[in-house]
Amino acid sequence: AQSVSQHNHHVILSEAASLELGCNYSYGGTVNLFWYVQYPGQHLQLLLKYFSGDPLVKGIKGFEAEFIKSKFSFNLRKPSVQWSDTAEYFCAVIRLTDSWGKLQFGAGTQVVVTP
Amino acid sequence: EAGVAQSPRYKIIEKRQSVAFWCNPISGHATLYWYQQILGQGPKLLIQFQNNGVVDDSQLPKDRFSAERLKGVDSTLKIQPAKLEDSAVYLCASSLVKVGELFFGEGSRLTVL
Repeated sequence: AQSVSQHNHHVILSEAASLELGCNYSYGGTVNLFWYVQYPGQHLQLLLKYFSGDPLVKGIKGFEAEFIKSKFSFNLRKPSVQWSDTAEYFCAVIRLTDSWGKLQFGAGTQVVVTP
Repeated sequence: EAGVAQSPRYKIIEKRQSVAFWCNPISGHATLYWYQQILGQGPKLLIQFQNNGVVDDSQLPKDRFSAERLKGVDSTLKIQPAKLEDSAVYLCASSLVKVGELFFGEGSRLTVL
């Protein structure tokens, strides 16, 4: 079945540590890729997106992600996390061959940053 | 710019009862989505509207769930009768274009006892 896989369900790290969250998808063809974040008590919001062009994309709050087409991956990174990055992170994919752009989410990664 | 509005934020019902959730998308957004997010899982698409027409409801349990989007603006999602496994957060989202960024509401948390 076509799916979006996130490698870790829970990540705990200290402030100033580097963060990398893995995301793989199993769709063939052209895709649009997203990372959404949900801070405690808040709604889902877009962190960054990739549609085309430079496979290294930069988002808000110092996050970046790299699209590696050959590996069907779109990993999220941040060089130095802050306590305020504590949140749940979701990778999401739209396959452009789908007529109506159905956005599929991964299961999410809960990230806890300790002071 | 106003965001996606949803109500109610919280609802507790007993199994076999009915419940309805309301969503008002961002003005001008033609595409509207309802997602179900069960604790510990990613959001799962229930139904997608383009204007007031349904374009994907393949994962909507149609024996108990229904949704409508009259006049292509706000939408209502109904569950009747509810089951214990329907306990989840129901997220409404809208987008300007069909493969673009989705904007999400705060969600409606349903607890079925």
